[in-house]
Amino acid sequence: EDKVVQSPLSLVVHEGDTVTLNCSYEVTNFRSLLWYKQEKKAPTFLFMLTSSGIEKKSGRLSSILDKKELFSILNITATQTGDSAIYLCAVGGGGTSYGKLTFGQGTILTVHP
Amino acid sequence: DTGVSQNPRHKITKRGQNVTFRCDPISEHNRLYWYRQTLGQGPEFLTYFQNEAQLEKSRLLSDRFSAERPKGSFSTLEIQRTEQGDSAMYLCASSLALGSGLYNTEAFFGQGTRLTVV
Repeated sequence: EDKVVQSPLSLVVHEGDTVTLNCSYEVTNFRSLLWYKQEKKAPTFLFMLTSSGIEKKSGRLSSILDKKELFSILNITATQTGDSAIYLCAVGGGGTSYGKLTFGQGTILTVHP
Repeated sequence: DTGVSQNPRHKITKRGQNVTFRCDPISEHNRLYWYRQTLGQGPEFLTYFQNEAQLEKSRLLSDRFSAERPKGSFSTLEIQRTEQGDSAMYLCASSLALGSGLYNTEAFFGQGTRLTVV
């Protein structure tokens, strides 16, 4: 069965700190790994990764995928209180239809002023 | 607003009643997904469609749950004889799959329908 495991499950930091969130996966027919940020409502898309070793960046956030070791990390530098959210990792693939996204449990990030 | 739209946003129902939720995906997206999320958990896959075809359905989806996407545009998710354990946020997402589906863009989520069964 497809599985996505995120760590840590929760993290409390102060503004300005750098954090690294981890995501490991086991999935058949891997196609892509996606990171989402979820505040009070729906998950909002951050990154989609398909190739190993290529870092994707957006402002203070960056992410990289290692398809050999089956994991990804999401880095947030110079954290701000607005970064407080649940960060979800999802892997696309699975089965014969390549469509399903399997999500991890999420990492709850709390950034204190 | 050209994002994914879900209705209603909130639904409170008595145990045993039937409920139906609607999802309108991003217009050019051919894939539509339904997920369920409970507190402290990531979204849990229920089912997905490519155009009007339901391609995969989770084993977790009991026979009380049914989803349709009759014209390949909007979709409905119906839960019959609701139980308290059905209380959750029901999320819809859509994406664009190209070719035979091997290339799939990122999925965008709607705001969800929060179901409370009392």
